[in-house]
Amino acid sequence: SQQGEEDPQALSIQEGENATMNCSYKTSINNLQWYRQNSGRGLVHLILILSNEREKHSGRLRVTLDTSKKSSSLLITASRAADTASYFCASRSGGSNYKLTFGKGTLLTVNP
Amino acid sequence: DTAVSQTPKYLVTQMGNDKSIKCEQNLGHDTMYWYKQDSKKFLKIMFSYNNKELIINETVPNRFSPKSPDKAHLNLHINSLELGDSAVYFCASSQDNRGDGYTFGSGTRLTVV
Repeated sequence: SQQGEEDPQALSIQEGENATMNCSYKTSINNLQWYRQNSGRGLVHLILILSNEREKHSGRLRVTLDTSKKSSSLLITASRAADTASYFCASRSGGSNYKLTFGKGTLLTVNP
Repeated sequence: DTAVSQTPKYLVTQMGNDKSIKCEQNLGHDTMYWYKQDSKKFLKIMFSYNNKELIINETVPNRFSPKSPDKAHLNLHINSLELGDSAVYFCASSQDNRGDGYTFGSGTRLTVV
């Protein structure tokens, strides 16, 4: 089954506004990670939150995790045009199967 | 520069051909991966190697064969290319097989005509 489905699929905001993206997953996880992909480039790891954490911050990024709802959100505060990219969540299951399962991503456009 | 580098960046080839994509990482990571990203940007894992040993082999046609000569290299060979193989292929690495934070290459855009 596919995990890590983000919504919205696309989000367009003005510079300076906050952007919130959501992610849902289907099975139990060890951690959840967020990645950014600029157009035509590889993915860049942004932040990792463990299954026993509820919130994590890194610079202008804030990630929350609700394991009871199997969901996570990524908040980017005071967005900049350079934040324009696709954002993916990726769930890492526990046990011996350590693969990351990616969602379909949210395309964020920050207009100057 | 420390990185995951893959070559070529672009590959255009005819149906039925055989092609290879190479990947190298100089990060000292133990684990390497191949992912396929389709036209809708969905990323799906294909293979993973940990210290040259295959640990993940998803449901991928056996026309796809990975090879890891050492832990810094993971190549992907594709036989008898089909139109549906057109996609962007990403190589990635992580420090160990727990996969807590991948470093991705910049991708190989494969177009089969």
